[in-house]
Amino acid sequence: GDSVTQMEGPVTLSEEAFLTINCTYTATGYPSLFWYVQYPGEGLQLLLKATKADDKGSNKGFEATYRKETTSFHLEKGSVQVSDSAVYFCALRREYNFNKFYFGSGTKLNVKP
Amino acid sequence: GAGVSQSPRYKVAKRGQDVALRCDPISGHVSLFWYQQALGQGPEFLTYFQNEAQLDKSGLPSDRFFAERPEGSVSTLKIQRTQQEDSAVYLCASRERTGNTEAFFGQGTRLTVV
Repeated sequence: GDSVTQMEGPVTLSEEAFLTINCTYTATGYPSLFWYVQYPGEGLQLLLKATKADDKGSNKGFEATYRKETTSFHLEKGSVQVSDSAVYFCALRREYNFNKFYFGSGTKLNVKP
Repeated sequence: GAGVSQSPRYKVAKRGQDVALRCDPISGHVSLFWYQQALGQGPEFLTYFQNEAQLDKSGLPSDRFFAERPEGSVSTLKIQRTQQEDSAVYLCASRERTGNTEAFFGQGTRLTVV
């Protein structure tokens, strides 16, 4: 069945460090891929998405590229800030079903000043 | 309201008790979703409504779980005879229309069954 696997956390970085959070997926066809972020005490927020192979999603300095050949959608940011501390979820949605997300287990990011 | 509102934010139930969790979606949003998020895990799909019609309930884990959205707005997730494994955060999300558009999530209700 469809699934998402992401690296376990927590990930602890110093401010201005480079961030990578790995995400791989299993799905048939061409799913859409997403990164959601959950700040402390808040609901899930869409961070970025990509709907087809080789698309790059970007927002707030974060980027992720949809790699069909490696079934991956790794999240990157060149210089993290303390305010980026949150839990990050990778998710997929099937090609012809817009009504169900499959989420990874989440990766907690701690950024220290 | 400005966002998806869920109540209560926290609920403690004794094993065997029935609970009802409420979701107020963004006004005018057609689609509504419920997800269950166990501790340390990602959210898992429970059910989906388009207006008042429950079009997909494939994720409901047992017949103790029941969801409704009678007027196509507010939704209630009911869990009967709660068990410890029901302890989780229950997330509600809404979407303005059907199709490939963004869903907005509420803060969730944390249910603890003791």
